Amino acid sequence: DAKTTQPPSMDCAEGRAANLPCNHSTISGNEYVYWYRQIHSQGPQYIIHGLKNNETNEMASLIITEDRKSSTLILPHATLRDTAVYYCIVKGGTSYGKLTFGQGTILTVHP
Amino acid sequence: NAGVTQTPKFRILKIGQSMTLQCAQDMNHNYMYWYRQDPGMGLKLIYYSVGAGITDKGEVPNGYNVSRSTTEDFPLRLELAAPSQTSVYFCASRLASSGANVLTFGAGSRLTVL
Repeated sequence: DAKTTQPPSMDCAEGRAANLPCNHSTISGNEYVYWYRQIHSQGPQYIIHGLKNNETNEMASLIITEDRKSSTLILPHATLRDTAVYYCIVKGGTSYGKLTFGQGTILTVHP
Repeated sequence: NAGVTQTPKFRILKIGQSMTLQCAQDMNHNYMYWYRQDPGMGLKLIYYSVGAGITDKGEVPNGYNVSRSTTEDFPLRLELAAPSQTSVYFCASRLASSGANVLTFGAGSRLTVL
């Protein structure tokens, strides 16, 4: 599985867009990019995933560069409840089971 | 559809005691995982299973054992509890397929070893 690199922490003002980057320069053609978040010791929660195209759902948008070596998770109007640890993971659908997490990015949304 | 269910939610053990953390999923997922998360730290993979009867070690397997006799259940066994095993434990599952497959987590089991 491709290794991912994320900044350890980021800040964002409430109501502004939060843009969380992820580098996955060794991603292979069949690997998806997934984003999860974990709010204060709760179980991590799925946010969004993508393969090549940009994706949007009710929670966020995912922008994947054309070469697929990096991506950005966008929370369009961050709220205080978006303060969490955000994990970027790269995984193929049928690739063998082992699935590890990096340290993620601690996003702090300020009033 | 309950998703991933973990029991107990909280447990306090004495050093040297044994216990089993239960994990069950009702989504017919073939892959299941156990993670631990120490305070202020990220998720560390303990063990995982790709199907009934098949388990494998993750990043931090020492002090733990698992079994997978059914697709639904993936219990984690602590044989001789140590203070270093004080942590929050998360179970997760996913369905491996040719497309995308999302990991679903349980709510966690908080274990304290005194």
